[in-house]
Amino acid sequence: DTAVSQTPKYLVTQMGNDKSIKCEQNLGHDTMYWYKQDSKKFLKIMFSYNNKELIINETVPNRFSPKSPDKAHLNLHINSLELGDSAVYFCASSDPGTLNNEQFFGPGTRLTVL
Amino acid sequence: AQSVTQPDIHITVSEGASLELRCNYSYGATPYLFWYVQSPGQGLQLLLKYFSGDTLVQGIKGFEAEFKRSQSSFNLRKPSVHWSDAAEYFCAVGLMDSSYKLIFGSGTRLLVRP
Repeated sequence: DTAVSQTPKYLVTQMGNDKSIKCEQNLGHDTMYWYKQDSKKFLKIMFSYNNKELIINETVPNRFSPKSPDKAHLNLHINSLELGDSAVYFCASSDPGTLNNEQFFGPGTRLTVL
Repeated sequence: AQSVTQPDIHITVSEGASLELRCNYSYGATPYLFWYVQSPGQGLQLLLKYFSGDTLVQGIKGFEAEFKRSQSSFNLRKPSVHWSDAAEYFCAVGLMDSSYKLIFGSGTRLLVRP
C-alpha cells in the first residue's frame, strides 16, 4: 500500500503549457504539502493545506495553484510553464496532532520544461 | 529566521568505515529534528527523528543521531558504511507553529568507495 502517491512520475512539456500534478495520501492525515527540489537538490516548501484550507503559501508565483478537493488529495496546477519551473516536486502529508510533525513524502514528480 | 546548515556538500568514505554527517540548526524554540535519505531518482525516506527525551536517537539502517542543544547540532552517524548507503542525506527542522513546515538543509551527498 502506497502511503503518499503522486502522478505522473515524469512530466515533459513545452514552455507556456498548463499542467497538473496529483497527490493522494491514504494515511488519514489532515495536513498536506508541496515541496520543490531544484537542480541543486535544495528542497523548499511551496504550499501547505490543513483540512482543505491553505495555511502556507511561500511566495510562490500565481501561476501555481494548489487545489484540495478533500483532505486526502492535494493537486498542483501550473499555468504558463517556464523553464525555471523544471524541478522535482514532492508531495507530503503529516498529522500535526502527533506533535512531532513527521512528514511522509511521495516519490516525486520530475517536471521538465522545454 | 529558522535555518539548517549542512556544511559538507560531498563526503566520500570507504565501505566499512565510520560516517558522521554534520547538521546545525537555528531555531528559537525546542526543535523537532529529522534526517531524511534520498537515493538516486527516489523520494525521501525518514531515517530518524528527535522531538524530546533521550538525545541519542536510533533510526533505520543502523543510523543514529545525537541532539546537542549547546551546539545546535544534530549529527548523523553510522559505525560501518555499506555501499548501499550512497545517497543524498537531508537534515530538517520541523516548525511547531501553525505552519508545521519543514526547513531543510542543502543536503550532503555520500559517496562510498569499494
